[in-house]
Amino acid sequence: GNSVTQMEGPVTLSEEAFLTINCTYTATGYPSLFWYVQYPGEGLQLLLKATKADDKGSNKGFEATYRKETTSFHLEKGSVQVSDSAVYFCALSGDSGNTPLVFGKGTRLSVIA
Amino acid sequence: DTAVSQTPKYLVTQMGNDKSIKCEQNLGHDTMYWYKQDSKKFLKIMFSYNNKELIINETVPNRFSPKSPDKAHLNLHINSLELGDSAVYFCASSRKGTDTQYFGPGTRLTVL
Repeated sequence: GNSVTQMEGPVTLSEEAFLTINCTYTATGYPSLFWYVQYPGEGLQLLLKATKADDKGSNKGFEATYRKETTSFHLEKGSVQVSDSAVYFCALSGDSGNTPLVFGKGTRLSVIA
Repeated sequence: DTAVSQTPKYLVTQMGNDKSIKCEQNLGHDTMYWYKQDSKKFLKIMFSYNNKELIINETVPNRFSPKSPDKAHLNLHINSLELGDSAVYFCASSRKGTDTQYFGPGTRLTVL
């Protein structure tokens, strides 16, 4: 079945540091890939997505590129802020639409001033 | 305007009780979902409904019964609550034929 593996946290960075959170997946067909973010005490928000190989999703300074050859979708940001502290989830959906998301276990990021 | 809303936000109850969580979306979406997030933050699908019809039930105990009175609402009723049911429950929705899901704020259920 489909699965997502992401790096375990927690990850602690200083403000303005470079962020990478690794995510790899196993899936049949051509899934869409997502990053969701959960700020403390809140629900999940879609951060970015990519629907096919070599697509780059981007939002709020975060980027991730759909790499089919390495089955990866790593999240990056060039300069993190304290307000980026949250739990980040990598997820995939099946290639037929309206299928449930399969999530990674989440990576907690703490950014310190 | 809240796109996907859930009530209540917090629910504390005793073992053995029956409780319900409500979800509403005003996005005009056809498909709705319930996910469970355990204490380690792991998220897993429980149910999926499309136009009021159940399409996915992921080996959830039959104490959990989803009900969809119309395509904008998907409620979750839980009978005979157990300690292991303590979790955060998220409702989500998506438009037909698309894969982007929008999540509600979650309901934190604590069973004592």
